[in-house]
Amino acid sequence: DAGVTQTPRHEVAEKGQTIILKCEPVSGHNDLFWYRQTKIQGLELLSYFRSKSLMEDGGAFKDRFKAEMLNSSFSTLKIQPTEPKDSAVYLCASSLGGGLYEQYFGPGTRLTVL
Amino acid sequence: GDSVTQTEGPVTLSEGTSLTVNCSYETKQYPTLFWYVQYPGEGPQLLFKVPKANEKGSNRGFEATYNKEATSFHLQKASVQESDSAVYYCALGVNSAGNKLTFGIGTRVLVRP
Repeated sequence: DAGVTQTPRHEVAEKGQTIILKCEPVSGHNDLFWYRQTKIQGLELLSYFRSKSLMEDGGAFKDRFKAEMLNSSFSTLKIQPTEPKDSAVYLCASSLGGGLYEQYFGPGTRLTVL
Repeated sequence: GDSVTQTEGPVTLSEGTSLTVNCSYETKQYPTLFWYVQYPGEGPQLLFKVPKANEKGSNRGFEATYNKEATSFHLQKASVQESDSAVYYCALGVNSAGNKLTFGIGTRVLVRP
């Protein structure tokens, strides 16, 4: 089975631009997570979907970050407008659901905002 | 809220020596505890999980015991290899949060040949 796919792997944006990151979860998984990863903060949860319904939308990230699940096999994370402090690795993960199953992570998208 | 505190890195050691990465957690609920490992250029992957207190998890020579009294879940390996160089994350999950996990900040481990 294919793992979690994320595109693009690298993204460079100018301050103020809109960027869209994409994620395809493992087939059959019901839960999907978006994280931001930095050396200082580690893994920060941005959004959590269960069966396409938004369960949690990280409070500190609500203003400019919007995650959507267009269908059970595709999700996007939009950052609008981007700021230099958004430079980080964005990770997508999926899980079977039902209670404390392993999260499978994608390779991440490295975003650089100039 | 729930929290996880782990050894601040980087931790640098030589091949063949032993590794301990400390992990302590706080929660008012009954957690399942996880260790994840992240190699360069990849996303984190599950090393092992332990759902029950006082039980031990292990994989690839790594092990950790879920100590409920001490609220700890320290990761250990008796003899590390250069290929163990990675970032290690301790995490906890509670049933009321679904599959959401609370991660520690991660500990970078560098093993020198």
